[in-house]
Amino acid sequence: GAGVSQSPSNKVTEKGKDVELRCDPISGHTALYWYRQSLGQGLEFLIYFQGNSAPDKSGLPSDRFSAERTGGSVSTLTIQRTQQEDSAVYLCASSLARSGETQYFGPGTRLLVL
Amino acid sequence: SQQGEEDPQALSIQEGENATMNCSYKTSINNLQWYRQNSGRGLVHLILIRSNEREKHSGRLRVTLDTSKKSSSLLITASRAADTASYFCATVLIGGATNKLIFGTGTLLAVQP
Repeated sequence: GAGVSQSPSNKVTEKGKDVELRCDPISGHTALYWYRQSLGQGLEFLIYFQGNSAPDKSGLPSDRFSAERTGGSVSTLTIQRTQQEDSAVYLCASSLARSGETQYFGPGTRLLVL
Repeated sequence: SQQGEEDPQALSIQEGENATMNCSYKTSINNLQWYRQNSGRGLVHLILIRSNEREKHSGRLRVTLDTSKKSSSLLITASRAADTASYFCATVLIGGATNKLIFGTGTLLAVQP
């Protein structure tokens, strides 16, 4: 079946603009994660959705970052008033709900803030 | 913040040789996973080892876990040029409300043909 998909693949924006990144998880996966990979910080967790439970937002770096998951499927990560330090690859992953299950990653969105 | 360190940071070997990468972590875990990343994009899951397991095999991959030392190793046998990639270990903490992965710093493996 289809894997996790993300769009756009690449995004170039100007400092101060808002961006939206999209993630389509694997069908049937109720858990969805966003991670960020940057040169200075490595791979870091951002936010986690599980079914109808309140999301775990503990990894979001600032209040400019937000995410939602509509209908338990597609997720959108929004970055408001982008800064140059937001430049990174944003990775989405999904998994089955059971504890300790493998996470399957999408190809990522490479964001460059000029 | 990252859970732990991987070493070496970079490794260059010849095709056919074995490659060993090590991962150390800081706190008790539910499981540890290894991922491969090509060209800085999507991560490919390689293998998962649970905290009550000591060794696991998958094809040319062998993973060990020593919870007393809080360390794991990934061995790739008979390496191929196509194995060239970055390799990351990632842990899922025990007792955590989520299964978020906490990644190590990664090892960049180059396999010379």
